[in-house]
Amino acid sequence: DAGVIQSPRHEVTEMGQEVTLRCKPISGHDYLFWYRQTMMRGLELLIYFNNNVPIDDSGMPEDRFSAKMPNASFSTLKIQPSEPRDSAVYFCASSQQGGSYEQYFGPGTRLTVT
Amino acid sequence: ELKVEQNPLFLSMQEEKNYTIYCNYSTTSDRLYWYRQDPGKSLESLFVLLSNGAVKQEGRLMASLDTKARLSTLHITAAVHDLSATYFCLLNTGNQFYFGTGTSLTVIP
Repeated sequence: DAGVIQSPRHEVTEMGQEVTLRCKPISGHDYLFWYRQTMMRGLELLIYFNNNVPIDDSGMPEDRFSAKMPNASFSTLKIQPSEPRDSAVYFCASSQQGGSYEQYFGPGTRLTVT
Repeated sequence: ELKVEQNPLFLSMQEEKNYTIYCNYSTTSDRLYWYRQDPGKSLESLFVLLSNGAVKQEGRLMASLDTKARLSTLHITAAVHDLSATYFCLLNTGNQFYFGTGTSLTVIP
């Protein structure tokens, strides 16, 4: 398996623009997580899905952030409009119910908002 | 307010020495994970601890979980340079997940 796939790997955009981050989980995994990592706040969970349904979105910073999972193999995290304080590395992870629930992380998307 | 605290935040140790990283949390736990992150890289899963008293070992690393004390430890035995990285614990409680603050480990020859 190719592991969790994220795109783009790097994104530079101007304040006010819309940004869409994409994630393809490991095939067969039924949980998908979106995390954000910054120097100031560390690693924090934004939202996660089980069987394509959002379970906990309490970490989504504000209405400018939205996430969708239209099918088992694809998820998006959208920021509209983007702000400089959204600059961070965004990680997607997936896991499988049962067993260890081990989360496998993608390579991350480094977002810079100028 | 739920807290997941790691200590130390920074650790510089000599090769061949032993040391322990602590992960303290302020609520009940369902699962406790340990991850490693190299600079500029993603997170690599090390251990998943599912129950009180769980102990797992891989190479020079050993993790344990004491749910009564709300404490997990990551013990490093005879450190080598390749273990230099940042280590995170991740707490799963109910439907929520919280990362620890991270411990930056540097192993000095």
